[in-house]
Amino acid sequence: EAGVAQSPRYKIIEKRQSVAFWCNPISGHATLYWYQQILGQGPKLLIQFQNNGVVDDSQLPKDRFSAERLKGVDSTLKIQPAKLEDSAVYLCASSLEKGVRPVSYEQYFGPGTRLTVT
Amino acid sequence: GDSVTQMEGPVTLSEEAFLTINCTYTATGYPSLFWYVQYPGEGLQLLLKATKADDKGSNKGFEATYRKETTSFHLEKGSVQVSDSAVYFCALSGYRNWGSYIPTFGRGTSLIVHP
Repeated sequence: EAGVAQSPRYKIIEKRQSVAFWCNPISGHATLYWYQQILGQGPKLLIQFQNNGVVDDSQLPKDRFSAERLKGVDSTLKIQPAKLEDSAVYLCASSLEKGVRPVSYEQYFGPGTRLTVT
Repeated sequence: GDSVTQMEGPVTLSEEAFLTINCTYTATGYPSLFWYVQYPGEGLQLLLKATKADDKGSNKGFEATYRKETTSFHLEKGSVQVSDSAVYFCALSGYRNWGSYIPTFGRGTSLIVHP
């Protein structure tokens, strides 16, 4: 079974530029997550999709960040314009959900995209 | 909102020592609890989980028990190995009243095991 794919793996941009990240989840996984992980901290959820609908985006800085998941499969996260404090690893994860109260919400993570804003 | 608090690291141990990494949480209702591990140069992967009170999750010699009365999910291993050196993240999946579960992660605890 193929894992969660992300690209690019590394990106260096100047502040005020824009950048986009791509994620392809595990086949059949309904839920997709985007996280921001700043060095030395835990992953912070930015947005959670179930199929192509948004479940939670309460921590997404909507003035500069946007995300979409067309057709309920792969997803893109965009930052425009970037700030220095956006330097972080952006993680994508997916999970398989079943039933009213799923047995578990085990997430499968991609390798991440390391963004450096100069 | 939900939160997860982990002990600060790094935790430095000698091989075969006993390991405890403390994790406490704040959440409404009955969240599921998880430990994820990130080995050097790799992505996060699930280590173990527990979905209800008093459940014990276990994997690769690691264990953690879901303690609702103390809102804790401490990670333990009886005898650590050099290969256990990694960053360990405690996480929960908390229920929201619109019927979804939202994950929250702790900041991670680095474990360094010396031969």
